[in-house]
Amino acid sequence: AQSVTQPDIHITVSEGASLELRCNYSYGATPYLFWYVQSPGQGLQLLLKYFSGDTLVQGIKGFEAEFKRSQSSFNLRKPSVHWSDAAEYFCAVGRGNAGNMLTFGGGTRLMVKP
Amino acid sequence: NAGVMQNPRHLVRRRGQEARLRCSPMKGHSHVYWYRQLPEEGLKFMVYLQKENIIDESGMPKERFSAEFPKEGPSILRIQQVVRGDSAAYFCASSETTGELFFGEGSRLTVL
Repeated sequence: AQSVTQPDIHITVSEGASLELRCNYSYGATPYLFWYVQSPGQGLQLLLKYFSGDTLVQGIKGFEAEFKRSQSSFNLRKPSVHWSDAAEYFCAVGRGNAGNMLTFGGGTRLMVKP
Repeated sequence: NAGVMQNPRHLVRRRGQEARLRCSPMKGHSHVYWYRQLPEEGLKFMVYLQKENIIDESGMPKERFSAEFPKEGPSILRIQQVVRGDSAAYFCASSETTGELFFGEGSRLTVL
């Protein structure tokens, strides 16, 4: 069965600093991988996704993620964090023909210091 | 172009009552998914439906929970005889045949 681990429950960074959120997955086949962001009291918004091809994926809001098969990882990065990036971030792996059956990690809560 | 609409946004029930959560998918989407988010946890898959069919219900508790997506109208997640442990945020997502899931803003159930 597939699983997703986000080792960091909380991360605090200063505004303008770089960010990396870790995600490790377990899945028997080539994975469909996703990062979502959730602001307090809101639903989830898709930041980016990996299905195949280039292992470095660009997303919205200046985020990117790199798929590393050898490490079973799909870490999310942003070169310069803005205060509005404070939110909870979820990594997910998808199964099914279109990767539409998602298994989520436990999430990483990002706090941004001024 | 409305997104995924869920209602009610907040629902309070006493133990033993029934909770009904509704989800209207995005226009043109025929696939609906329900997820549950317990406090301080990630989302857990519950059920995947297409119109009039349950495709995958591997995440649904065996008792008290049911879901439907009728030919007309919204998808309904029904929880009978609620208990305190059912308190959570329930998220609905929809998609076209393939591709990205779009999530609603969730329904937050509180069981007293």
